[in-house]
Amino acid sequence: GENVEQHPSTLSVQEGDSAVIKCTYSDSASNYFPWYKQELGKRPQLIIDIRSNVGEKKDQRIAVTLNKTAKHFSLHITETQPEDSAVYFCAARPRQGGGGADGLTFGKGTHLIIQP
Amino acid sequence: DAMVIQNPRYQVTQFGKPVTLSCSQTLNHNVMYWYQQKSSQAPKLLFHYYDKDFNNEADTPDNFQSRRPNTSFCFLDIRSPGLGDAAMYLCATSAAAGGLTEAFFGQGTRLTVV
Repeated sequence: GENVEQHPSTLSVQEGDSAVIKCTYSDSASNYFPWYKQELGKRPQLIIDIRSNVGEKKDQRIAVTLNKTAKHFSLHITETQPEDSAVYFCAARPRQGGGGADGLTFGKGTHLIIQP
Repeated sequence: DAMVIQNPRYQVTQFGKPVTLSCSQTLNHNVMYWYQQKSSQAPKLLFHYYDKDFNNEADTPDNFQSRRPNTSFCFLDIRSPGLGDAAMYLCATSAAAGGLTEAFFGQGTRLTVV
């Protein structure tokens, strides 16, 4: 099955600086890579996702890059703000022949702390 | 408006006493998932339904069962909860369009076992 490694486990950055979180995956058949933000006691919420036919995607201050050859993908947050403080999870979903219903395999999460 | 609704938000059950958690969705998605998330850990997939087809993860204990009576509802049954089953249980749905679609999560049910 799929295995997703995520680093670092904790990341502290100054407000306004950039933050980068990295993940690697093991299953070369995976074709969908979402990033979720989870605040304490709340549901995971999708912030950005990328599909295997794309190398980079950007949405305002958030960007994700994917290197299929190396099997790694990264989340980049620029101009960080206090409300960016949360736990961020990367995930991967293997490609399925029968409709793609398999669940996500999550990384262990990164606790992002934005220092004022 | 909430699209994936879990009830209750908090559930306390006694050791060994069966408990059922519920999930409903207004998205009409084909797929419904149950994840277990323990404190400071990642969500871990327990099983999912693709329409009426049940798919169990290999390492999900037999103590966990699920039912999906119709498209909108899905239940998680824990037959004999142990202390190690205390966790947040998250329900999620997706449209299953070739695996390339977002999974929408409910708010979760935090289960305490006493």
